[in-house]
Amino acid sequence: QKEVEQDPGPLSVPEGAIVSLNCTYSNSAFQYFMWYRQYSRKGPELLMYTYSSGNKEDGRFTAQVDKSSKYISLFIRDSQPSDSATYLCAIGKRQGGKLIFGQGTELSVKP
Amino acid sequence: DAGVTQSPTHLIKTRGQHVTLRCSPISGHKSVSWYQQVLGQGPQFIFQYYEKEERGRGNFPDRFSARQFPNYSSELNVNALLLGDSALYLCASSFRLRPITDTQYFGPGTRLTVL
Repeated sequence: QKEVEQDPGPLSVPEGAIVSLNCTYSNSAFQYFMWYRQYSRKGPELLMYTYSSGNKEDGRFTAQVDKSSKYISLFIRDSQPSDSATYLCAIGKRQGGKLIFGQGTELSVKP
Repeated sequence: DAGVTQSPTHLIKTRGQHVTLRCSPISGHKSVSWYQQVLGQGPQFIFQYYEKEERGRGNFPDRFSARQFPNYSSELNVNALLLGDSALYLCASSFRLRPITDTQYFGPGTRLTVL
């Protein structure tokens, strides 16, 4: 069993839609949860990080963590074509240490 | 402020050759990590260095090695290249290794093609 599983997509939505991206992880020792966005042929860009259960909001983006079910989500409101990218969830046992990434979900937002 | 920089951008090698990839962290960052990202997959951890010492190693063969220099820049070396080493090699830097504060920021990567 992989330590983190992510729906691979691809996911195609119309502009303005609410997008839900999800990952599950297997080891409760993981304490830090991150979402990265990666445009084609570029390095991952950190979107959000959190270390507690609950919601964390930043503009149109909301990260949600449920440690009891080992489930993490990223919601994108009012999606824009510029949001088209691959979204990677990442988990870690301590900040600054080794990150374990999901496979990535490719998102396309159509105008 | 300059972000993480990596060189070269692209590289083509043949099987059996050796390659050296370079990374300069964000100014003030003391930790560098290396990841391999095969097409269609998420990045996989290779090494982490902090203050010139290896602090973590992923499940990669001994053909992979790295080091960190006094100015905190880093090199990743891969010997006896295989076709399967073709990937995007990513470098990430963080300030230190302390909880909460030390998020990793990634460079644009070096795309290695092995023929």
